[in-house]
Amino acid sequence: DAGVIQSPRHEVTEMGQEVTLRCKPISGHDYLFWYRQTMMRGLELLIYFNNNVPIDDSGMPEDRFSAKMPNASFSTLKIQPSEPRDSAVYFCASSYSLSGSGANVLTFGAGSRLTVL
Amino acid sequence: SQQGEEDPQALSIQEGENATMNCSYKTSINNLQWYRQNSGRGLVHLILIRSNEREKHSGRLRVTLDTSKKSSSLLITASRAADTASYFCATDDGTSYDKVIFGPGTSLSVIP
Repeated sequence: DAGVIQSPRHEVTEMGQEVTLRCKPISGHDYLFWYRQTMMRGLELLIYFNNNVPIDDSGMPEDRFSAKMPNASFSTLKIQPSEPRDSAVYFCASSYSLSGSGANVLTFGAGSRLTVL
Repeated sequence: SQQGEEDPQALSIQEGENATMNCSYKTSINNLQWYRQNSGRGLVHLILIRSNEREKHSGRLRVTLDTSKKSSSLLITASRAADTASYFCATDDGTSYDKVIFGPGTSLSVIP
């Protein structure tokens, strides 16, 4: 299994540009999570999906951020327009819910490091 | 929002010593997990403990959970230089059991 695959690994863009981050979860996993990690704010949950349906997007910072999961093997996180304060490492993680507990044991991708100039 | 808070923020020990990290959380939870993150990498799951459990072991790792104090501890015994990493606790938010929220983490340095 190739694990959770994220692309691009690094992106440098200018303020105002659109940024699209991509994630391929592990086959068979029914949950997908997007996180943002910065030194100042730590690891923030942005949104998570169950069976391709968004369950909680309360962590999405503002309308400039949007996430989709058109099928079980692909998700995108889009920022439009991007701002310097969006600079961070964005992680995607997938899981299957442990039966009877509701707990999600996450497998993380390697992350996408975004720099907005 | 963050549910858990790790303590200490940073810890430096000599190889062979034990390392203890603590996590406190705010609301009742269904489960608590510990993850490790090596520099520049994604997080890796270490151990899960459910709210009805008090202690779990996995190799050199020992996790305890005290729901009355809303706290957990992670003990790494006989530490190695390779244990140098950041360690995070993660919980649900007490309402949505499938949600996973991370604390700010403890940075552990093991000096050879």
